[in-house]
Amino acid sequence: DAGVIQSPRHEVTEMGQEVTLRCKPISGHDYLFWYRQTMMRGLELLIYFNNNVPIDDSGMPEDRFSAKMPNASFSTLKIQPSEPRDSAVYFCASSLVTYNEQFFGPGTRLTVL
Amino acid sequence: SQQGEEDPQALSIQEGENATMNCSYKTSINNLQWYRQNSGRGLVHLILIRSNEREKHSGRLRVTLDTSKKSSSLLITASRAADTASYFCATPRIQGAQKLVFGQGTRLTINP
Repeated sequence: DAGVIQSPRHEVTEMGQEVTLRCKPISGHDYLFWYRQTMMRGLELLIYFNNNVPIDDSGMPEDRFSAKMPNASFSTLKIQPSEPRDSAVYFCASSLVTYNEQFFGPGTRLTVL
Repeated sequence: SQQGEEDPQALSIQEGENATMNCSYKTSINNLQWYRQNSGRGLVHLILIRSNEREKHSGRLRVTLDTSKKSSSLLITASRAADTASYFCATPRIQGAQKLVFGQGTRLTINP
């Protein structure tokens, strides 16, 4: 298995633009998590899905952020419009049974100018 | 505040020495997990210890859990340069909850 796949690995955009981050979880995993990591705030959980259904989006910072999981093998995190304070590394992780280990993707480093 | 908080924030030791990192948490838990993050990479799961376990080993890693003190420690023995990374503990947000809360991590540097 290739592990959790994220794209793009790096994204540089200008303030106000729409940004879409993509994630392919490990096949067969039924939980998918989106995290954001910054020096100031550490690793924050934004939202997670179980069997493609959003379970908890309380970590989504504001309405500019949205996430979807149209099927078991694909999820997106969208920021519209983007702002400089959204600059961070965004990680996607998946797990088979939530109390067990989470497998993280390599992350997307987002820079909003 | 964070559910899990690591101590120290940074640790620098010589290759071959042992490294000990600590994690404290606030609420009752079912399990506690440790992850490693190399610079510029995603987190990698190291070990999970359940609330009814007191100690667990995996290779050069030894994890202890003291539920009465709400604390855990990660010991890396005979450290290597490749162990240079940040180490995070993670606990369920609420006992039985689905999501993990990560601490701020301990940045470990192994000097050759």
